[in-house]
Parts: sequence; C-alpha cells; structure tokens
Amino acid sequence: ETGVTQSPTHLIKTRGQQVTLRCSSQSGHNTVSWYQQALGQGPQFIFQYYREEENGRGNFPPRFSGLQFPNYSSELNVNALELDDSALYLCASSYTSTGSEAFFGQGTRLTVV
Amino acid sequence: EDQVTQSPEALRLQEGESSSLNCSYTVSGLRGLFWYRQDPGKGPEFLFTLYSAGEEKEKERLKATLTKKESFLHITAPKPEDSATYLCAVQSLEDSSYKLIFGSGTRLLVRP
Repeated sequence: ETGVTQSPTHLIKTRGQQVTLRCSSQSGHNTVSWYQQALGQGPQFIFQYYREEENGRGNFPPRFSGLQFPNYSSELNVNALELDDSALYLCASSYTSTGSEAFFGQGTRLTVV
Repeated sequence: EDQVTQSPEALRLQEGESSSLNCSYTVSGLRGLFWYRQDPGKGPEFLFTLYSAGEEKEKERLKATLTKKESFLHITAPKPEDSATYLCAVQSLEDSSYKLIFGSGTRLLVRP
C-alpha cells in the first residue's frame, strides 16, 4: 500500500508567479484535502476534493484553485504569488469525505521571494 | 466559531518523566478529535481518533483521552525519539466539508 506522495518537496518562486503542486493519494482513498501550514502554526484548511468535485473551501482567495483527477490524484494551483504564501503545503487523503482518518504527505515547502 | 487551543506551547521533559498535553476545543457538534505527530519539515503522522466523551486509546507510550471540552495526550516514560510537535484537530458534525481544524501544537523535547 503506497502512502501519500507530494511533489516537489521544495520550491522557490518569485512574487507574482504561478505555482502548481501535486499530490498522489493513498491507495484506495477517494478524497484529497489541501492545507497550508505557516511556521509555528497548525495546518489551515484550503479546500477538499471528493470524486473530482470541490467539497468545501476554507478562507482562501480564489487565486488558490485545485483539481482532482479520475485516479484521485490532485493539484493545487496558486496564481499571483505573494510573500505571505510562503509555507508548507500539505496534502491529505482519506477514504471518504466524512470523518475517516486523513493521512498526510510529507509536504511541499514553498518559498516566495 | 470552532476553535482548538493546545497547551503548553512547548514542553521539555527528561527521559522517563511522564506528562500530559492538553487540547481544549469549541465545536458545534463533535464528529471526531484527532491527534497527530509532526517531525520538523515533515507532514503530520496520524496517531488517534476519538469520537465520544470517555473514550480512550493507547499506542506504545501514548494514551489519548476525551471529555466534552478537552482531550489529553498522556506520555508515559517518554524517550528522546518522542520529541516532536503534537497536533490536535477537530471535525465538526455541522461542517459539510469535514475539514480538520487544528491547534497550533505542542512542541515536545525529551532530553536523554
């Protein structure tokens, strides 16, 4: 059974650029959630995808968008990067969108300069 | 507003010195309370899920308990490898997105 994998592990972008982060969910899981974790803080919910549809969204602007593919892998896209977007971006997969345990990937460390 | 507060922010223990971490929560109907362990620069690692007051779960030196307002993570005779940040999160019954609402974590350092 494969775990949740994210790519890339580290990324440096310039303010105003666009970035795409990728996530492969754990085998058998059909739900993917994305979180942003600033240094010293707990993860903050960005959005969730269930069966290729957005199933909920946190308090993030529209320049944060996502996709889920038929194989349940997912992308997080961020447009017009700002310095405050620098953070660890975490992907979590679960069996359903309900209260089952979510398993996290190792994260992508994004630095915006 | 659903909220999770963890205390203390940081905790230093000697190897073998047992202690407890606290997670206080306010949520409009608790679906579940989750404990995760996070090592520096890595993603959170799932530890436990608790669903109702009075429930307890154990794993090696860790034991999680739940009341209607808070959860405790008890660490018995910790070892240096238990050093990490421990995160608590809740999920609300009234939230259709089933998102996890996290606290800021407790950074645990166990000295040999």
